[in-house]
Amino acid sequence: QVQLVESGGGVVQPGGSLRLSCAASGFTLSGYAMHWVRQAPGKGLEWVAVIWYDGTEKYYADSVKGRFTISRDISKNTLFLQMNRLRAEDTAVYYCSRDRDWGFDAFDIWGQGTTVTVSS
Amino acid sequence: QSALTQPPSASGSPGQSVTISCTGTSSDVGGYNYVSWYQQHPGKAPKLMIYAVSKRPSGVPDRFSGSKSGNTASLTVSGLQADDEADYYCSSYAGSNLAVFGGGTKLTVL
Repeated sequence: QVQLVESGGGVVQPGGSLRLSCAASGFTLSGYAMHWVRQAPGKGLEWVAVIWYDGTEKYYADSVKGRFTISRDISKNTLFLQMNRLRAEDTAVYYCSRDRDWGFDAFDIWGQGTTVTVSS
Repeated sequence: QSALTQPPSASGSPGQSVTISCTGTSSDVGGYNYVSWYQQHPGKAPKLMIYAVSKRPSGVPDRFSGSKSGNTASLTVSGLQADDEADYYCSSYAGSNLAVFGGGTKLTVL
């Protein structure tokens, strides 16, 4: 069945780096735009980044631009989020999500999330 | 990229209807028909309930409906059931290849 499974979360010090992974099954990443969405503890959802279905376009929220990089490995059907220069305010559950259509249509499939904690 | 505005809470008794609003601007909700709604139970991932303002994905009960007027979108849940108690989030395309979410509404079934 269609499924997304995130991994790579953990505890990291401010200024550190972490790479999240999102393994897709039941569909191929090459056919869909993919997003990262995060949720700080007790807070709402925040869109983080998107990569186009063909990998040619990548866009970021202002809060992470220049620090985070979204990428994918089609051979492994896996999405990534490289997070550098992490701050306390990046602490959140990070979800990967599939776009239903063109890129900013709707988030129709979600992973279970992976937790990132930035703390000294 | 300001968040869309939702009421923090909403409530209704079983069988009743409740409507949750989501207010943005002409640059997001009012400018595009890419408004979607998500249900999130505690500790769980969000679930798509409505896309393109008023369309329901396969498997979502027709008790859930969406609409939009100007810069405000709305989600209506009819025939409230205990399992509808959850947090609900709206989202919209905001132009310039960005997306924005609302702050979320906690729906309580009394």
